Amino acid sequence: DAGVIQSPRHEVTEMGQEVTLRCKPISGHNSLFWYRQTMMRGLELLIYFNNNVPIDDSGMPEDRFSAKMPNASFSTLKIQPSEPRDSAVYFCASSRLEPPTGELFFGEGSRLTVL
Amino acid sequence: GENVEQHPSTLSVQEGDSAVIKCTYSDSASNYFPWYKQELGKGPQLIIDIRSNVGEKKDQRIAVTLNKTAKHFSLHITETQPEDSAVYFCAASNSNYQLIWGAGTKLIIKP
Repeated sequence: DAGVIQSPRHEVTEMGQEVTLRCKPISGHNSLFWYRQTMMRGLELLIYFNNNVPIDDSGMPEDRFSAKMPNASFSTLKIQPSEPRDSAVYFCASSRLEPPTGELFFGEGSRLTVL
Repeated sequence: GENVEQHPSTLSVQEGDSAVIKCTYSDSASNYFPWYKQELGKGPQLIIDIRSNVGEKKDQRIAVTLNKTAKHFSLHITETQPEDSAVYFCAASNSNYQLIWGAGTKLIIKP
């Protein structure tokens, strides 16, 4: 299996620009998660989808962040407008089971730098 | 609020020695405790997990112990090898069925 695929791996953009991060979960996994990782705050859950439906978006920092899952094989995380404090590594993870049990399979992450 | 404290933040051990990483949690409803390993430039990967009805679980060189009364759990790695060098995260489930993550421990294996 190919694993969770994220793109882009690296993104450098200027403040105010729109950023779109993409994720393809493992086929057959019903749960999808977007995480943000920084040195200061560690791993933070941003949003959780189950069967393509957003279940918990309480971790989304503010209205500048939005996430969609139009089908079982694709999800996006969008930041508009981006700010320097959004610089972080964003991970997508999928799981065959609903949380909290069930192994999370993480992608390799998208490193975002906002100048 | 709910939190998971992880110690130490950095651990340096001689190759072949044992390493122990400790976590404490605050939510008494927590019943699932996974450990993830993150290598440089990669996403975290599950290495072992334990549920609240079990006190200890072992998988080759790694083991996890759980003390529900004291609300703490630990990761034990024996006979450490260079490939064990990574950042290790503990996590605990909360009453909203999500994981609360520790801050991570950077494990350094000295040759």
